[in-house]
Amino acid sequence: DQQVKQNSPSLSVQEGRISILNCDYTNSMFDYFLWYKKYPAEGPTFLISISSIKDKNEDGRFTVFLNKSAKHLSLHIVPSQPGDSAVYFCAASSYNFNKFYFGSGTKLNVKP
Amino acid sequence: NAGVTQTPKFQVLKTGQSMTLQCAQDMNHNSMYWYRQDPGMGLRLIYYSASEGTTDKGEVPNGYNVSRLNKREFSLRLESAAPSQTSVYFCASSDGAGVTEAFFGQGTRLTVV
Repeated sequence: DQQVKQNSPSLSVQEGRISILNCDYTNSMFDYFLWYKKYPAEGPTFLISISSIKDKNEDGRFTVFLNKSAKHLSLHIVPSQPGDSAVYFCAASSYNFNKFYFGSGTKLNVKP
Repeated sequence: NAGVTQTPKFQVLKTGQSMTLQCAQDMNHNSMYWYRQDPGMGLRLIYYSASEGTTDKGEVPNGYNVSRLNKREFSLRLESAAPSQTSVYFCASSDGAGVTEAFFGQGTRLTVV
C-alpha cells in the first residue's frame, strides 16, 4: 500500500499563474518531506523540503506547505514558467527509517 | 562534480540473462538506494544500504540482489531477467533520510525482451 500519494497525474496551468501540486501521506512517523522535479531522460532533482516542525518553507518561486493533522502537503509555484513543465514527485522520510518513500508523480504542463 | 554516476545508461536483455547495474557516488554519503520508476507507479525502493556493510530490502526486492562494495559503490544485480523488470532504474545517495535530501543518478533504462 502506497504511503505517499499524489492523486493528480497531471496539471495544466497558464504561464504566470499559480501551480498547486498536492500530496497525501499515511504514516505519521514521517518527519521530513521533499519535492523533486524530473525532466525526461534525467534523474530526479531536489527542489525543496520541509521538516515536520514547520508548516511552511519558501525558496524563491517555490513554497511548500505542510498540514500534519491532515497528513497533507502541497507545493506552490508562483509565477509558473514554461521551464517548470516537468514531473514533480513528493517524497517523505524519517530518520528512523533511513529511506525515502515517493509518490507516483504529477506531470505539470505550463502553457506559454 | 560528478555526484551519482550510473552505468550503463541503456541496456537490452533477453529473458533469463543476468546483468549488474553499477552506481558510484563521490559525495562521501553513508546511505545509498536503488529505485525503479514505472509509469503510474512513481519511484519504488528496491534495496537500500544505510551504511557501508549493510543492505536492506525495500518495497520491491524480488528478483534483485545488491552489493555495497565500499562507501562509494552500490551495485544492483538481476540474476535472471524477466520482462516485468523492464523499467528505468535510479541510484541515489544521501547523508541521512529524515534530515536531508537524496541525490539521484541519471538512470538506467533497461528493457527485457
